[in-house]
Amino acid sequence: GPKVLQIPSHQIIDMGQMVTLNCDPVSNHLYFYWYKQILGQQMEFLVNFYNGKVMEKSKLFKDQFSVERPDGSYFTLKIQPTALEDSAVYFCASSLDEQYFGPGTRLTVL
Amino acid sequence: GDSVTQTEGLVTLTEGLPVMLNCTYQTIYSNPFLFWYVQHLNESPRLLLKSFTDNKRTEHQGFHATLHKSSSSFHLQKSSAQLSDSALYYCALSDRYNQGKLIFGQGTKLSIKP
Repeated sequence: GPKVLQIPSHQIIDMGQMVTLNCDPVSNHLYFYWYKQILGQQMEFLVNFYNGKVMEKSKLFKDQFSVERPDGSYFTLKIQPTALEDSAVYFCASSLDEQYFGPGTRLTVL
Repeated sequence: GDSVTQTEGLVTLTEGLPVMLNCTYQTIYSNPFLFWYVQHLNESPRLLLKSFTDNKRTEHQGFHATLHKSSSSFHLQKSSAQLSDSALYYCALSDRYNQGKLIFGQGTKLSIKP
């Protein structure tokens, strides 16, 4: 079936640095999402994106977070600066109708 | 706010026995959409079942679930567990079938033993 890819699979970073998580969505999909899953907790919605714009964001989507998809390439989540509480697995999803998920990027902030 | 509650933690069953994973929800949406996602080890979560029709059974790959708005439930069932059913199962809620955010439960790990 359709696959969403995420790069990298793991990222370790020092607190205060910037990190960019990359998502390669299904090619004809138009809607894009990021979810955050802290260890032992449920996946939580961060943001969704359509036609170059954020459609909806949750309280978890702090000012330090930003998303973009320049020129139809990767859909990215940037965190600048990172904080310890940003350590989590970040899942990207894309959809035309149902959401297809990537395998996640495990982010560790030291 | 909206929330989803699932069977806690780990469910361990012997192959061949029936499976039931509980999912209940709270929502302000008058017409909620409910989903079950499954995530096998080292794979991405993928959609297993979806429903928005009250009291109608939906089936896929041997699993079934029925949305009951009266009890705010969407339990996942299978008549006979297989070893390959071992995975993480997530129940999720949305206000629409597509484009909307998904609100997930905490997940239930299903382990099937021979």
